[in-house]
Amino acid sequence: GNSVTQMEGPVTLSEEAFLTINCTYTATGYPSLFWYVQYPGEGLQLLLKATKADDKGSNKGFEATYRKETTSFHLEKGSVQVSDSAVYFCALRGQGGSEKLVFGKGTKLTVNP
Amino acid sequence: EAGVVQSPRYKIIEKKQPVAFWCNPISGHNTLYWYLQNLGQGPELLIRYENEEAVDDSQLPKDRFSAERLKGVDSTLKIQPAELGDSAVYLCASSLDVADAEQFFGPGTRLTVL
Repeated sequence: GNSVTQMEGPVTLSEEAFLTINCTYTATGYPSLFWYVQYPGEGLQLLLKATKADDKGSNKGFEATYRKETTSFHLEKGSVQVSDSAVYFCALRGQGGSEKLVFGKGTKLTVNP
Repeated sequence: EAGVVQSPRYKIIEKKQPVAFWCNPISGHNTLYWYLQNLGQGPELLIRYENEEAVDDSQLPKDRFSAERLKGVDSTLKIQPAELGDSAVYLCASSLDVADAEQFFGPGTRLTVL
């Protein structure tokens, strides 16, 4: 079945540092890929997505590129802020309109001033 | 526009007691999801509704869990009786329809079973 493996946390960075959170997936065909973010006390929010190979999703300075050859969708940001502290979830949705979202375990990011 | 509303936000009960969670999706969203999120894990789908019909409940433990979505709007998830292992966060999400890639999540209900 479909699955997502993402980098174990927690990750602690200083403000303005470069962020990478690794995510790899296992799926048949061409799934859609997502990054969700969960701020403390809030629900999950869609951060970015990519629906086909080589697509780059971007939002709020975060980027991730759908790499079919390496089955990866790593999240990056060039300069993190304290307000980026949250839990980040990589997820995939298989081909077909009724496929469910499958999430990774989440990576907790803490950014210190 | 209001987001997905869930209540209560926190619930503490003793084992063997019943408990219910309520969800009001975003207005106009036909598809509603209930997820279970254990500590340190990602959400896992329990059940999906399209309007009032449960179309994917394969992961719902039907011996103790039940759900309903009367009139195709708000939904209730019930556990009876609760067990210690049910302690988790229960998330509700909605989307315009099943083919819509973006699901909008509520803040969740954190259940503690003592």
